Amino acid sequence: KQEVTQIPAALSVPEGENLVLNCSFTDSAIYNLQWFRQDPGKGLTSLLLIQSSQREQTSGRLNASLDKSSGRSTLYIAASQPGDSATYLCAVTERGLIFGKGTKLSVKP
Amino acid sequence: DGGITQSPKYLFRKEGQNVTLSCEQNLNHDAMYWYRQDPGQGLRLIYYSQIVNDFQKGDIAEGYSVSREKKESFPLTVTSAQKNPTAFYLCASSTYVGRAAETQYFGPGTRLLVL
Repeated sequence: KQEVTQIPAALSVPEGENLVLNCSFTDSAIYNLQWFRQDPGKGLTSLLLIQSSQREQTSGRLNASLDKSSGRSTLYIAASQPGDSATYLCAVTERGLIFGKGTKLSVKP
Repeated sequence: DGGITQSPKYLFRKEGQNVTLSCEQNLNHDAMYWYRQDPGQGLRLIYYSQIVNDFQKGDIAEGYSVSREKKESFPLTVTSAQKNPTAFYLCASSTYVGRAAETQYFGPGTRLLVL
């Protein structure tokens, strides 16, 4: 059964730092992997989707990589800002999405 | 504006009562999904539908029912058989390409509380 793990569970950084969020999955036979952002009490906002045949995707200050063979993905956030504070979730596609429990990011001014 | 709407934002259920959560999308997506989010457990799939008049159970379907009579709508009923319904419920939709769904887009959620 597919399991998705995100480390760390929480992260606090000063504004301006570059940071990396980690996601691992146990079954490498995935169709794609998505990264989402969730603000408190809100729905999810899709950040990036990486197809299984791709190695990385970029959107603005965000870069997501995928290594299927090792069952890992990373989300790189450059020059972090207080507005980046949120919970970041990764999910792999099976019938629906299998989610990790998220990393709660706090960026201090 | 294209998007997914969920109503109500908050819903209160009395013991033994069935309640229905609404989800509507105008993105022309074929596939729709319901997830449940509990603190410390992440999101889990309840039901999904790839096409009108067809739906499949997810990982935690017991105590829930759905219908998909229209492409735009995928209501979720929380029945009295669901003994622990307090949670945040999220609806999503996506195009469906071959065997793999593309990017899923989420609604704002409904918070269900038991009186």
